[in-house]
Amino acid sequence: AQTVTQSQPEMSVQEAETVTLSCTYDTSESNYYLFWYKQPPSRQMILVIRQEAYKQQNATENRFSVNFQKAAKSFSLKISDSQLGDTAMYFCAFMKMISNYQLIWGAGTKLIIKP
Amino acid sequence: ETGVTQTPRHLVMGMTNKKSLKCEQHLGHNAMYWYKQSAKKPLELMFVYNFKEQTENNSVPSRFSPECPNSSHLFLHLHTLQPEDSALYLCAGRKLGGKNTEAFFGQGTRLTVV
Repeated sequence: AQTVTQSQPEMSVQEAETVTLSCTYDTSESNYYLFWYKQPPSRQMILVIRQEAYKQQNATENRFSVNFQKAAKSFSLKISDSQLGDTAMYFCAFMKMISNYQLIWGAGTKLIIKP
Repeated sequence: ETGVTQTPRHLVMGMTNKKSLKCEQHLGHNAMYWYKQSAKKPLELMFVYNFKEQTENNSVPSRFSPECPNSSHLFLHLHTLQPEDSALYLCAGRKLGGKNTEAFFGQGTRLTVV
């Protein structure tokens, strides 16, 4: 069975700083997707970034990038130039490529950006 | 705005009440999901509907009853709930197939059982 672990329950940084959120996972699959979702106080879960396991290149989306280490089963999220609007819960999730598309979720990291 | 709408946003109900949560999408999603989100715990998948057919029931108690009358609507019927059922209930949808794997979520219903 797949599991996803986020070891940082809460993090806090100053605006404009760079912050890295950790995620590790356990699977015997070789092909899968990994995601970071953001849940602000509005409660809407929003996709931040997606990584296909077969791609060696780390995904990037503007200020958001990942460090995907397949052998280590690690998938960290780096937020550069953090903004107040980045304050939210961040969830790491895993999905097998061939499946009914069920997402396996981590417990989340609460990120607070301080002015 | 993700195109997935959940109502009501907040619900307080007694343990003997019967209520329903509603999820609506018009994005052509052919798979829809109910999740339970409790504090400091990973999201728990409750039910999965693919093409209006229920394909997953993750050992959810029978006091939760899903219904998917058409591809745009998903309901979660609640009856005789317990206080530990208090949580945020999230609906999500996605299009199966292709390379787009993203799930789109509603804003959830905050349920309190008293």
